[in-house]
Amino acid sequence: EAGVAQSPRYKIIEKRQSVAFWCNPISGHATLYWYQQILGQGPKLLIQFQNNGVVDDSQLPKDRFSAERLKGVDSTLKIQPAKLEDSAVYLCASSPPGTANTGELFFGEGSRLTVL
Amino acid sequence: AQTVTQSQPEMSVQEAETVTLSCTYDTSESDYYLFWYKQPPSRQMILVIRQEAYKQQNATENRFSVNFQKAAKSFSLKISDSQLGDAAMYFCAYTTSGSRLTFGEGTQLTVNP
Repeated sequence: EAGVAQSPRYKIIEKRQSVAFWCNPISGHATLYWYQQILGQGPKLLIQFQNNGVVDDSQLPKDRFSAERLKGVDSTLKIQPAKLEDSAVYLCASSPPGTANTGELFFGEGSRLTVL
Repeated sequence: AQTVTQSQPEMSVQEAETVTLSCTYDTSESDYYLFWYKQPPSRQMILVIRQEAYKQQNATENRFSVNFQKAAKSFSLKISDSQLGDAAMYFCAYTTSGSRLTFGEGTQLTVNP
């Protein structure tokens, strides 16, 4: 079974530029998550989708971050314009049906963003 | 708000020895889930072990076991017979129905040959 796929693995941009990350969850997983992991910290949830609907985006900085999951499968996270403090690893995760609130997540390898 | 605290930023253990990673959490809920996730360098995070708060019996997965003390709000991970492949960042995490998964700050485990 294929795991959670993310791209790109690494991205370096200058502040005020834009960047987009892509995630394809495990087939059949209805719930998709985007986490931000700053170096030395635990992951912080940015947004949670259930199919193509948003369940929780309370910690998403909506003035610069956006995310979509139009067909309820893959998802894109965009940052525009980027700030220095956005340097982090962006983790995508998914969970099987019925487990969205039980914490059993399957993570991708992450996309490491460096903002100069 | 729920918080998860890992007071050991770094730990080390000799290969084949046992090590215990500490975690405490704060919650007013009576039913919740606790987890230990492992994040190897440049690899994806994986679930190591899961504990449901209503279960008194401590969870065990092969060489990994937990000591769940509900009254003390403590959830430690014991790794027995440590192997080089156990070297990673370990995150304690908490969730309850309807809430997001909250992670601690992590403990970096080094396994010395």
